[in-house]
Amino acid sequence: NAGVTQTPKFRVLKTGQSMTLLCAQDMNHEYMYWYRQDPGMGLRLIHYSVGEGTTAKGEVPDGYNVSRLKKQNFLLGLESAAPSQTSVYFCASREIARGRAGELFFGEGSRLTVL
Amino acid sequence: DQQVKQNSPSLSVQEGRISILNCDYTNSMFDYFLWYKKYPAEGPTFLISISSIKDKNEDGRFTVFLNKSAKHLSLHIVPSQPGDSAVYFCAASEYGGSQGNLIFGKGTKLSVKP
Repeated sequence: NAGVTQTPKFRVLKTGQSMTLLCAQDMNHEYMYWYRQDPGMGLRLIHYSVGEGTTAKGEVPDGYNVSRLKKQNFLLGLESAAPSQTSVYFCASREIARGRAGELFFGEGSRLTVL
Repeated sequence: DQQVKQNSPSLSVQEGRISILNCDYTNSMFDYFLWYKKYPAEGPTFLISISSIKDKNEDGRFTVFLNKSAKHLSLHIVPSQPGDSAVYFCAASEYGGSQGNLIFGKGTKLSVKP
C-alpha cells in the first residue's frame, strides 16, 4: 500500500518559473492537504480539499493554486516561483470517519528551491 | 497569532529517562489534540491523540496529558530511546477533528543520547 506519494521529491527553479507538485493517495480519503515546512515555522497549511472538485484556502495560500479533479490526486501549482517559496512541501490526506478523526497521513515531502 | 505553541525548540534527554514535551494552545474551541513525529527527510507520522473529554491517553511508552483549564498538553515518553530522536509536532483541531483543519505548533526537536 503506497499511501501518499508526492512527485517530484526535489526540484530547483529559477525565479518566475512555474511548476506543479503532484500528490496521489490510494486510501480513498476524502480530505487532502498541502502544507509547507520552514525552519522554525512548523507546518503551515497552504490549501486543502474536502472532496473531488473542491478546494479551499489555508493559512498561507498566496502564490499557490490547487486542483482536485480526481479524488485520489491533489495538485499544487506555483505560477511564478519566488525565493520565498523555497521550502519543503508536504501533502497529506485523511478519512472523515470518526474514531480516527484528525489523523493525517503524510507524504515524504518535496523539497523545492527557488533561485 | 499562534494558536498552538511549542515553546521549547529542542530537548536533550539521556536514554532510559523520561522525555516531556510541552504544548500550549489559545483557542478554547479546540477539542482534539494530536502529536506527530518527524524524522529527517520523511513525512510526519501520527503518534498519539487525545480528545478533550479525557485528561490522559496512553499508548505503550507514550502518554499524552491534557489540562483544559490551563490549555496545556504534554507528551511523556518513558523510557526514552535513541530511536525517539526526532522532531515532535503538537496539533489541535475543532469538532473532534472530524471537520476543520489541524493547526500545528512549530515543533520540538528531541535528542535522546545513549
